[in-house]
Amino acid sequence: GEDVEQSLFLSVREGDSSVINCTYTDSSSTYLYWYKQEPGAGLQLLTYIFSNMDMKQDQRLTVLLNKKDKHLSLRIADTQTGDSAIYFCAEEWDDKIIFGKGTRLHILP
Amino acid sequence: NAGVMQNPRHLVRRRGQEARLRCSPVKGHSHVYWYRQLPEEGLKFMVYLQKENIIDESGMPKERFSAEFPKEGPSILRIQQVVRGDSAAYFCASSPLLAGESTDTQYFGPGTRLTVL
Repeated sequence: GEDVEQSLFLSVREGDSSVINCTYTDSSSTYLYWYKQEPGAGLQLLTYIFSNMDMKQDQRLTVLLNKKDKHLSLRIADTQTGDSAIYFCAEEWDDKIIFGKGTRLHILP
Repeated sequence: NAGVMQNPRHLVRRRGQEARLRCSPVKGHSHVYWYRQLPEEGLKFMVYLQKENIIDESGMPKERFSAEFPKEGPSILRIQQVVRGDSAAYFCASSPLLAGESTDTQYFGPGTRLTVL
């Protein structure tokens, strides 16, 4: 079946850049997403990228897509304590969204 | 504007009881999706419903689980005779359009955290 893989933990110092990586299996996905989940909260759509794009930038967020390698990354510039959360990579497949297990981003002072 | 609303936010049930989870989509949205998040796991798709129709239930366990989205009122996810393994966060999402027709297709609710004792 479809699968999305991402590392489970990432620790970054405040002010540094965070890079969260993800691989997916379905090459026919139209959209790929990054969601943010803060403790006890629902999912917030952070950003998305259409499959024919290589890069998308939105303020502090940069999404890179390598379609050949089926690799997606999210870069957060100037990481702040408020960025501490779980980040889910997801691909759209058929009529549903397939999620990775999430990367827990921990900010070091 | 109210987003997707789910209630209750927390639900505790004993083994064998029934759990009923409610989801009110964004006003005007006619498509509802349910996802389950097991502890330390990502979200897994369960079911996709339109008003009065189940479109895709490929992620639903074959027994004890059912979902509906009536013409009036919220969508309901019902779990009969709950077991400890049903303990999870259940998220509802809604969409105004078919998946794939819009970039931000699904708006997620805050989730219901079910604990089975």
